[in-house]
Amino acid sequence: EADIYQTPRYLVIGTGKKITLECSQTMGHDKMYWYQQDPGMELHLIHYSYGVNSTEKGDLSSESTVSRIRTEHFPLTLESARPSHTSQYLCASMRGYGYTFGSGTRLTVV
Amino acid sequence: KQEVTQIPAALSVPEGENLVLNCSFTDSAIYNLQWFRQDPGKGLTSLLLIQSSQREQTSGRLNASLDKSSGRSTLYIAASQPGDSATYLCAVTSGNFNKFYFGSGTKLNVKP
Repeated sequence: EADIYQTPRYLVIGTGKKITLECSQTMGHDKMYWYQQDPGMELHLIHYSYGVNSTEKGDLSSESTVSRIRTEHFPLTLESARPSHTSQYLCASMRGYGYTFGSGTRLTVV
Repeated sequence: KQEVTQIPAALSVPEGENLVLNCSFTDSAIYNLQWFRQDPGKGLTSLLLIQSSQREQTSGRLNASLDKSSGRSTLYIAASQPGDSATYLCAVTSGNFNKFYFGSGTKLNVKP
């Protein structure tokens, strides 16, 4: 049962559009993460945050940006979507030891 | 940089078999290891979390072991069922800031 919510679940959008993927958690976790995963491939960390006003880029270069204005909210924004951004985006949070993942957003840019 | 490898990449077994999935990591200075299940097109569901001071964790038909010194973990699934069919991912935390490093997964198919 997810305490971390991602919306939308699926999104098809045209090239050049600005989009924001939403991620919210109700657990009060300080640490939040965004991963990108192509079908059948590994997860790659693209952004993470250790608390309000703290954001860092991950191991995989990404043209997206993130913000952390509130503990529970960690949105990811693409200013100008391209077909190469087509992927699944997974949000996770952590307090203590283990991760909790959201259900993901599957993004298709046409 | 921590590297996580999972073997085999894919596994197909008949229902009822006991099976073992393997995970290895290059840097033994880990904080935790977590096993996840991922169904096609879905997010990740946490199965078991082993803290660095622990050697194993059990949940139902699942048992995960950790040997930090050799850089290995195994996930044992007893009496496999078709509903166990999914991709199983291993992840470790190490280095600064508790970042997780994921393996590429083992895709399991349990045939009825």
